[in-house]
Amino acid sequence: EAGVAQSPRYKIIEKRQSVAFWCNPISGHATLYWYQQILGQGPKLLIQFQNNGVVDDSQLPKDRFSAERLKGVDSTLKIQPAKLEDSAVYLCASTFLAGGSPDTQYFGPGTRLTVL
Amino acid sequence: AQSVTQLDSQVPVFEEAPVELRCNYSSSVSVYLFWYVQYPNQGLQLLLKYLSGSTLVKGINGFEAEFNKSQTSFHLRKPSVHISDTAEYFCAVTPRGYQKVTFGTGTKLQVIP
Repeated sequence: EAGVAQSPRYKIIEKRQSVAFWCNPISGHATLYWYQQILGQGPKLLIQFQNNGVVDDSQLPKDRFSAERLKGVDSTLKIQPAKLEDSAVYLCASTFLAGGSPDTQYFGPGTRLTVL
Repeated sequence: AQSVTQLDSQVPVFEEAPVELRCNYSSSVSVYLFWYVQYPNQGLQLLLKYLSGSTLVKGINGFEAEFNKSQTSFHLRKPSVHISDTAEYFCAVTPRGYQKVTFGTGTKLQVIP
């Protein structure tokens, strides 16, 4: 089966610009996650969707970050405007089950964002 | 809230030697524990997970980990490493009944020929 797809793989922008990332999870996976992985740190959860509803967005900087999963399938994460500290790898992951059970998360290759 | 501590940021080891990557966690509730591996320029891949039952968990690529509740540890071991094991390894924890995963800061395993 196809894995989690993400695009673009790399993005370089200047501060105050906007950027969007796209994720297509594994077919049939109900839960989708966006993580931010800053160099030298572990992934930090930004937002979790179950189908097209938000389960957890407590660590999403809502003044500049937004995410949607309109049809319960693919998702976009947007940053507007970007700051230098947003430079990181943005990982998308998905799981089959809809919560409650510790299902394995399948990760995409990530998008490496550099903000100059 | 839960947290994960990986004290070793880098671990160099010679090929065919054994290795142990340390992971300690803290949580006010029971947890599930995971080890993920991240190869260069790739996403994370599950190595193994502890849900319940036997405290010794075997994973892919010859890795295993032991859950020690009294020491709140979940150390990862391999008896003989290969060059292809060079990667970054992340320990992670999630409270029982939830899907939210908290990751440690990672340990870079460098296998020396």
